[in-house]
Amino acid sequence: QLQLQESGPGVAKPSETLSLTCTVSGDSISSSHHHWGWIRQSPGKGLEWIGTIDYRGNTDYSPSLKSRVTISVDTSNNHFSLSLRSVTAADTAVYYCAKFFPDGQLVWAPHYWGQGTLATVPS
Amino acid sequence: SYELTQPPSASVSPGQTARITCSGDALPRKYVYWYHQKSGQAPVLVIYEDNKRPSGIPERFSGSSSGTMATLAISGAQVEDEGDYYCYSIDNSGSQSFVFGTGTKVTVL
Repeated sequence: QLQLQESGPGVAKPSETLSLTCTVSGDSISSSHHHWGWIRQSPGKGLEWIGTIDYRGNTDYSPSLKSRVTISVDTSNNHFSLSLRSVTAADTAVYYCAKFFPDGQLVWAPHYWGQGTLATVPS
Repeated sequence: SYELTQPPSASVSPGQTARITCSGDALPRKYVYWYHQKSGQAPVLVIYEDNKRPSGIPERFSGSSSGTMATLAISGAQVEDEGDYYCYSIDNSGSQSFVFGTGTKVTVL
């Protein structure tokens, strides 16, 4: 049974880097048929797609976050990670990791989600 | 930037049908997905590829898409269907990035 679990510091200081890890169990992150990625939700707001990665390390990022985001994968430990640089209070959000599936029209959509972790950047 | 537009709220009586729309210029060419998020919980996929239901999702959830608008219908709505609903699809900018709709809060009362 697939499980995704986010982990990382609950607080990041302004201008520093927020780092989160998603540990995958019940599935291999090395599958060539899926992507793995991150989504966030600011308090009281909607969902925002951050980016995805495949097992070879190929990435796609949100244009609005691309200059500050890095997603990496560690196949030996079956986890992937998010680094968000130069954070501000606007980056305070619940961060979800997810497993993405493709469709025939090149839309990669999250089918399975972790429970989410709150990351706070004090103002 | 590209946006998928949803009505902010919808209200339905128990047992009646709720319909939530999602509009976007790329929808005639790309599939749409729908997610249900209850308060304090992670979103759950309820419809994929416009009109398919994942295993375990009740039959009262259905999806359709025509032109630039997709619709999620909840037939015979139940109290447990309350929450926020988001559509999702590809960004129309030509880059390989994706967007969620603005979200619709559904109240069953």
